[in-house]
Amino acid sequence: GAGVSQSPSNKVTEKGKDVELRCDPISGHTALYWYRQSLGQGLEFLIYFQGNSAPDKSGLPSDRFSAERTGGSVSTLTIQRTQQEDSAVYLCASSLARAGRDTQYFGPGTRLTVL
Amino acid sequence: GESVGLHLPTLSVQEGDNSIINCAYSNSASDYFIWYKQESGKGPQFIIDIRSNMDKRQGQRVTVLLNKTVKHLSLQIAATQPGDSAVYFCAENISSGSARQLTFGSGTQLTVLP
Repeated sequence: GAGVSQSPSNKVTEKGKDVELRCDPISGHTALYWYRQSLGQGLEFLIYFQGNSAPDKSGLPSDRFSAERTGGSVSTLTIQRTQQEDSAVYLCASSLARAGRDTQYFGPGTRLTVL
Repeated sequence: GESVGLHLPTLSVQEGDNSIINCAYSNSASDYFIWYKQESGKGPQFIIDIRSNMDKRQGQRVTVLLNKTVKHLSLQIAATQPGDSAVYFCAENISSGSARQLTFGSGTQLTVLP
């Protein structure tokens, strides 16, 4: 079946502009995650959605970052007033949220470049 | 703070040889570990996982070993192929309330030499 998809694949924007990144999780997956990956680095957790529960926003680096998940499926990560340090690959993952063994499946990512 | 890390940032092996990628973790409460492979320009791809109640798990050409005594995880790739060249991340699952986040190490770049 289809995996996690993300759009756009690449986004170049000017400092101070707002951007929206989209994630379509695997159908049936109740959990959705956003991560950020800087060049040559590991993945930094941003936010987690699980079903109808309040999202875990503990990883968001500032109040310029927000995310929503509509209808328990598609998610949008919004970065307001982008800064150059926001440049990174933004990865989305989804999972079945199984207790004890919850494998996350990743999308290809959106490469964000802030000029 | 507690973290997951990798012993070697780069590893080069001859095609056909076996590869071993190591990972150290420090959170004794972690109960689930995953190895991911990330090729250039792509998202991480699940390779194999292991729960803390096991010390070994085998997949196709890959084996993960878990030593809870010394908090060490390794990924063994048998008969390494050019397509195995990628960055390999280990990740630990930390349960915090209702969230199940993965904490990733910085990764090891595996290069397969012809």
